[in-house]
Amino acid sequence: EPEVTQTPSHQVTQMGQEVILRCVPISNHLYFYWYRQILGQKVEFLVSFYNNEISEKSEIFDDQFSVERPDGSNFTLKIRSTKLEDSAMYFCASTRERMLNGNTEAFFGQGTRLTVV
Amino acid sequence: SQQREEDPQALSIQEGENATMNCSYKTSINNLQWYRQNSGRGLVHLILIRSNEREKHSGRLRVTLDTSKKSSSLLITASRAADTASYFCATRPDTGANSKLTFGKGITLSVRP
Repeated sequence: EPEVTQTPSHQVTQMGQEVILRCVPISNHLYFYWYRQILGQKVEFLVSFYNNEISEKSEIFDDQFSVERPDGSNFTLKIRSTKLEDSAMYFCASTRERMLNGNTEAFFGQGTRLTVV
Repeated sequence: SQQREEDPQALSIQEGENATMNCSYKTSINNLQWYRQNSGRGLVHLILIRSNEREKHSGRLRVTLDTSKKSSSLLITASRAADTASYFCATRPDTGANSKLTFGKGITLSVRP
C-alpha cells in the first residue's frame, strides 16, 4: 500500500539552528501539507502546497518557516532559526485531489519528532 | 473557527465491548474524517463521511453524522486491545478554497485485555 514517508523520525537540534524535515508524498498525489502536534495538544495545520507554490498557510507558519519541493519526489519543511516552542511532532500529508472534493482522504506520514534544546 | 469538541476525553473499556466516541463542530463542513494515532506515531485515516451522508460502515467501524446537530460519532464494535490509541475527528470546511483539515484534541481509548 502506498504511504507517505518522513525522515528523520526524530531530530534534536539546538535553539537557533536551522532544521529541514523531509517528506516523500505518495507518488501520484498533487497536494501536500504540513501539520504539527505539540505534545498533548491537537494537530494543527501549517501549510498546504500545490503546483510548486503555497496555497494556504496558518498564522503559525511565519517567516521562520518555508516549504519546498526541490525535485519530483521530496517535499521539505525548513525552520530557519528554531525556538524551544517549535518542539513538536511534524506530520506531512498528501492528497490526490484538492480537499474540496468530498471524497478526498489525506494520507499522513509517521511524523518527525523535533526536539529543540 | 471550526472549534471542535470531542467526548469523552478518555475512555477505558474491556476487550469485546463497544466504544463510542463523539465529536462536535461549529461551522459548515464538506466532510468529516476520523483518524487514529497510536502513541507517538503517525495519523492513520479510518473513515471519511461526507456532509450529505448520515452513516457509514467500514469493518468494525460505524460513523454517523448529524449536520443539524453538527456532531459525529465513531463506534468501534467488539473492541480489541490493538484498538488502544487516540482517535481524532477532523473536518474539512465547506467554504472557499480552504484545503486544510481542522483536528480536535482527540479521545484516548484504552482497551483492557
